Amino acid sequence: DIQMTQSPSTLSASVGDRVTITCRASQSISRWLAWYQQKPGKAPKLLIYMTSSLQNGVPSRFSGSGSGTEFTLTISSLQPDDFATYYCQQYNSYSYTFGLGTKVEIK
Amino acid sequence: EVQLVQSGAEVKKPGTTVKISCKVSGYTFNDYYIHWVLQAPGKGLEWMGFVDPEDGETLYADNFEGRVTMSADTSTDTAYMELSSLRSEDTAVYYCAPGREYFQYWGHGTLVTVSA
Repeated sequence: DIQMTQSPSTLSASVGDRVTITCRASQSISRWLAWYQQKPGKAPKLLIYMTSSLQNGVPSRFSGSGSGTEFTLTISSLQPDDFATYYCQQYNSYSYTFGLGTKVEIK
Repeated sequence: EVQLVQSGAEVKKPGTTVKISCKVSGYTFNDYYIHWVLQAPGKGLEWMGFVDPEDGETLYADNFEGRVTMSADTSTDTAYMELSSLRSEDTAVYYCAPGREYFQYWGHGTLVTVSA
């Protein structure tokens, strides 16, 4: 099975900061990577799919990049609504795996 | 508007079986697999498997193979996930999530508590 290593596990940042979260796959997944945001008590919300495609309605301050085994999610200017936990998810040959998550906290 | 309505919270004893439903509306049921994802308290997301409503084909994660059964009823646009031989570690919120390579929509989640 493909393992997803997400870092950091926790990130403290201030409103307006540029934030980057990294996800590494244990083998190449081409560009089959998605990012989700989850707030406490709520279902995850799809932010980005196919590495860099922004889901409808997601603010443009969110962006994704990468290919193969290294991927990043960037929030260009952190907003109060962005404090949440973020998960990456890979798809490869009918195998699906999530990263362990990155909690973005208020500094 | 896509809506996914899951069945209510369950409290189960160890060794028993739980069956959760997920009623879909707002898109053609056969267009997407229905995946199931669990989240234990304070933990991350774990993919359990999917059912293809078009033909009933299933694929299960290794961790759940032999204990989970997923199905889909195209007459009611409802998917089901049945988990047997429950143990305390199965206490979690279970989500249904239509999709293929990724999960565009999510149900609200069903809390299953396994306790003696």
